[in-house]
Amino acid sequence: DVVMTQTPLSLSVTPGQPASISCKSSQSLLHNNGKTYLYWYLQRPGQPPQLLIYEVSNRLSGVPDRFSGSGSGTDFTLKISRVEAEDVGVYYCMQSIQFPRTLGQGTKLEIK
Amino acid sequence: EVQLLESGGGLVQPGGSLRLSCSASGFTFSGYGMSWVRQAPGKGLEWVSVISESGSSTHYADSVRGRFTISRDNSRDTLSLQMNSLRAEDSAVYYCVKGWGHHDYWGQGTLVTVSS
Repeated sequence: DVVMTQTPLSLSVTPGQPASISCKSSQSLLHNNGKTYLYWYLQRPGQPPQLLIYEVSNRLSGVPDRFSGSGSGTDFTLKISRVEAEDVGVYYCMQSIQFPRTLGQGTKLEIK
Repeated sequence: EVQLLESGGGLVQPGGSLRLSCSASGFTFSGYGMSWVRQAPGKGLEWVSVISESGSSTHYADSVRGRFTISRDNSRDTLSLQMNSLRAEDSAVYYCVKGWGHHDYWGQGTLVTVSS
């Protein structure tokens, strides 16, 4: 199975400041079709998860442009350029290149 | 508007069975793979199973293979998860999710509690 490792596991950020979450996979997520199957989700308190970023760097429609994803192969990063109060929750990375699908442990973002 | 409405959760004894359903609307159900993802209380997300658009292809997490069966009825826009031989560690909120690998819509979830 592909192991997904997120760091840090928790983050406390002052509003307006940037935040960054790392996700490393135990195997490359680059498919031979040229796509890289790495996704980022946010689960706000008491809510189901929502997709933020697909295939490393593509924001889903409606996701603010302060969210950006980058990386390749086995190393990926989610960045929030200026954290807002509504960004609190747990962020998960997930791979969809092979079964079983696997997710990181989650990174809890809180506001200082 | 895409909607996914799960039902069928509840309290069941260890070794028992439960069938979850997910009613989908707002998109062409037969055109998408569908998945189940679960979350134990206070824990992270765990992918459970996926089924292809036609239902001809399915995959399972090792933790549920042989006990859970995913199925779909494209005539009724419904996804199901038959859960047998339930264990305490199966206790979780089960989310119905649109997508084979690109999970862009999630239901609100249904709670399954396995306890005597």
